[in-house]
Amino acid sequence: QQQVKQSPQSLIVQKGGISIINCAYENTAFDYFPWYQQFPGKGPALLIAIRPDVSEKKEGRFTISFNKSAKQFSLHIMDSQPGDSATYFCAASINTGGFKTIFGAGTRLFVKA
Amino acid sequence: EPEVTQTPSHQVTQMGQEVILRCVPISNHLYFYWYRQILGQKVEFLVSFYNNEISEKSEIFDDQFSVERPDGSNFTLKIRSTKLEDSAMYFCASRGGLSTEAFFGQGTRLTVV
Repeated sequence: QQQVKQSPQSLIVQKGGISIINCAYENTAFDYFPWYQQFPGKGPALLIAIRPDVSEKKEGRFTISFNKSAKQFSLHIMDSQPGDSATYFCAASINTGGFKTIFGAGTRLFVKA
Repeated sequence: EPEVTQTPSHQVTQMGQEVILRCVPISNHLYFYWYRQILGQKVEFLVSFYNNEISEKSEIFDDQFSVERPDGSNFTLKIRSTKLEDSAMYFCASRGGLSTEAFFGQGTRLTVV
């Protein structure tokens, strides 16, 4: 199974709050898990990424939590700001010849001022 | 900061016409990709290209599609006979090595009328 399931589909958070987006996968051959941020009309931009041998990675206000046994990972955005309003995609990379990236369905985040 | 550049930003074409979407990946990157995003939907893998040949392609990448790296810098996606359902954002991406992040261009919006 080369799917990555992402939830929720949309999220509204108050400024200063915590935004949490969850993802799950089944294929243990995935070995790299990036998160991308996309603004309307733009390409996906790498936000933060983690490898499966690490349980947590933090960069500024963004934290990935990774649970290898549960095959789940999540993005936490602390102190959410209106400028964080965008679509967030979790993804997983797998080497089936070309090391492609499989994207989740995306979460539209809106941070209310 | 190095970036993936794509041209044109927007292409309108008549159904049945051929289009060529162009990309300049980040120099020294070895793996090249095309992805597609239909409006409001997730980013879908089309094809990966390494060592001057296709390393993997998805079901979407049928005989109407082809890729080429005509020189040391450009990477192109050709759609031979466009259909209405080919209307989407097309993203080029490149990667320096395995288990590293893919960098995406800003995309070409293809509109087939």
